[in-house]
Amino acid sequence: DAGVTQSPTHLIKTRGQQVTLRCSPISGHKSVSWYQQVLGQGPQFIFQYYEKEERGRGNFPDRFSARQFPNYSSELNVNALLLGDSALYLCASSLRGGGASPLHFGNGTRLTVT
Amino acid sequence: DAKTTQPTSMDCAEGRAANLPCNHSTISGNEYVYWYRQIHSQGPQYIIHGLKNNETNEMASLIITEDRKSSTLILPHATLRDTAVYYCIVYITSNFGNEKLTFGTGTRLTIIP
Repeated sequence: DAGVTQSPTHLIKTRGQQVTLRCSPISGHKSVSWYQQVLGQGPQFIFQYYEKEERGRGNFPDRFSARQFPNYSSELNVNALLLGDSALYLCASSLRGGGASPLHFGNGTRLTVT
Repeated sequence: DAKTTQPTSMDCAEGRAANLPCNHSTISGNEYVYWYRQIHSQGPQYIIHGLKNNETNEMASLIITEDRKSSTLILPHATLRDTAVYYCIVYITSNFGNEKLTFGTGTRLTIIP
């Protein structure tokens, strides 16, 4: 079975631009979460969606938004990019959210903002 | 979620058991202990989790103290591929609800040939 897939794997953007990152969960998983990992730190929670509804939001500005589609795939959008948004963006999926089943992470999208 | 404390780094000889400690003295009764690891340039990988009892799977064993204030992840026969950052996370689980994981800085485990 395919794991969590994310695209693109690498991305370079300029300050002020907008970016869209994509995630396909493991087949059958209905919950998708997004994390940001800055170099040298652990991942930080951005959003969680379950059954297309937002179930959790981390301490990130409104420039960050996300959505989940009927097929449970998800997109993370970041507007007005700042240099500090350079990070590894991780997507994770689970069967039904709530932590009752483990999260399975993709290998992330490496975003560089210049 | 309760906060965890882990050593910054550890070394272990290849073939020996790697024992990674985690303190979670403020854990509440319904919080699970989860372990994930992150190998360089990859996403975190789930290892094991438990509530009160010791747990074992094909990857590792999890030993939780009786008062639940600390735990130890054991990799029984460490290989070079086990070199990674290991995260201990305590977490309240609930079906269909919020599943925010709070990662600390973890323990950087280096397996020595």
